[in-house]
Amino acid sequence: DAGVTQSPTHLIKTRGQHVTLRCSPISGHKSVSWYQQVLGQGPQFIFQYYEKEERGRGNFPDRFSARQFPNYSSELNVNALLLGDSALYLCASSLAGTSVYEQYFGPGTRLTVT
Amino acid sequence: DAKTTQPTSMDCAEGRAANLPCNHSTISGNEYVYWYRQIHSQGPQYIIHGLKNNETNEMASLIITEDRKSSTLILPHATLRDTAVYYCIAEETSGSRLTFGEGTQLTVNP
Repeated sequence: DAGVTQSPTHLIKTRGQHVTLRCSPISGHKSVSWYQQVLGQGPQFIFQYYEKEERGRGNFPDRFSARQFPNYSSELNVNALLLGDSALYLCASSLAGTSVYEQYFGPGTRLTVT
Repeated sequence: DAKTTQPTSMDCAEGRAANLPCNHSTISGNEYVYWYRQIHSQGPQYIIHGLKNNETNEMASLIITEDRKSSTLILPHATLRDTAVYYCIAEETSGSRLTFGEGTQLTVNP
């Protein structure tokens, strides 16, 4: 079975631009979470979606938004990019919306903002 | 969510047991202890979780003290491929997020 897939793998953007990152969960998983990992730190929670509804939001500005589609795939959008948005963006899927179910992480999208 | 404290780094010889400690002195009764690891340039990988009983799976064992204020992840026979950052997380079962700290960098040496 395919694991969590993310696209693109790498991306370079300029300050002020907009970016869309994509995630496909494991088949049968209905929950998708997004995390930001800055170099040298642990992943930080951004959003969780379960059954296409937002279930949780981390401490990130409104420039960050996400959505989940009927097939449970998800997009993370970041507007007005800042240099500090450079990070590895991780997507995780799980069977349901609570953390008692283990989360399976994708390989991430490496975003560089110049 | 309870804060967890882990050593910054640890070394282990290949083939020996790796014992990774974690303190979670403020853990509440409905918070599980989760362990994830992250091999360089990959996404985190789930290892094991538990509430108050010791747990074992094909990857590792989790020992939780009776007062639940600390736990130890045990990799019984560490290999070079176990070199990674190991994260200990305390999280409510009804929670929707994982709160990662900085973890422990485990280096397995030949």
